[in-house]
Amino acid sequence: DAGVIQSPRHEVTEMGQEVTLRCKPISGHNSLFWYRQTMMRGLELLIYFNNNVPIDDSGMPEDRFSAKMPNASFSTLKIQPSEPRDSAVYFCASSVRGRIAEAFFGQGTRLTVV
Amino acid sequence: AQSVAQPEDQVNVAEGNPLTVKCTYSVSGNPYLFWYVQYPNRGLQFLLKYITGDNLVKGSYGFEAEFNKSQTSFHLKKPSALVSDSALYFCAVRDPGGGADGLTFGKGTHLIIQP
Repeated sequence: DAGVIQSPRHEVTEMGQEVTLRCKPISGHNSLFWYRQTMMRGLELLIYFNNNVPIDDSGMPEDRFSAKMPNASFSTLKIQPSEPRDSAVYFCASSVRGRIAEAFFGQGTRLTVV
Repeated sequence: AQSVAQPEDQVNVAEGNPLTVKCTYSVSGNPYLFWYVQYPNRGLQFLLKYITGDNLVKGSYGFEAEFNKSQTSFHLKKPSALVSDSALYFCAVRDPGGGADGLTFGKGTHLIIQP
């Protein structure tokens, strides 16, 4: 298996622009997580899905952030409009359903908003 | 609410010496505990987990971790460090009794193995 695949790997955009990050989870995994990593705040859980349904989005920082999972093999995280403070590395992770299951992470998308 | 503390920002160890990376946790019940490693410009890789049973858990790359309920700790260990072990290590916890399915991570500890 290719693992969790994220695209793009790097994104540089201007403040105010819309940014869409993409994730393909591992086949057969039915839980998907979006995390954000910054030096100041470490790893933060933004939102997660079980069986394509958003379960907890309490970590989404603002209404500018939205996430979708239209099917079991694809998810997006969108920021509109983007701001410089959104600059971070965004990780997608997937796991089989269940609280004992470990999550497998993608390589991340490094977002820079200028 | 669940939380994880990694008290050391950085740990320096000479190659061949044993290493320990510390982690303490706070959850309302018995925890599920995880260790991950992150190499530069890469995602997190799973090392090992404790769910139940034997307090000493063995994982990838020769790492192990010891669950200590009385001290609420889950320290990562390796008997003999390699230079290639140099990376950022994260401890994470999940409350089995409820709350979010997502893992709560510590701030991370930079492990530097000196030749």
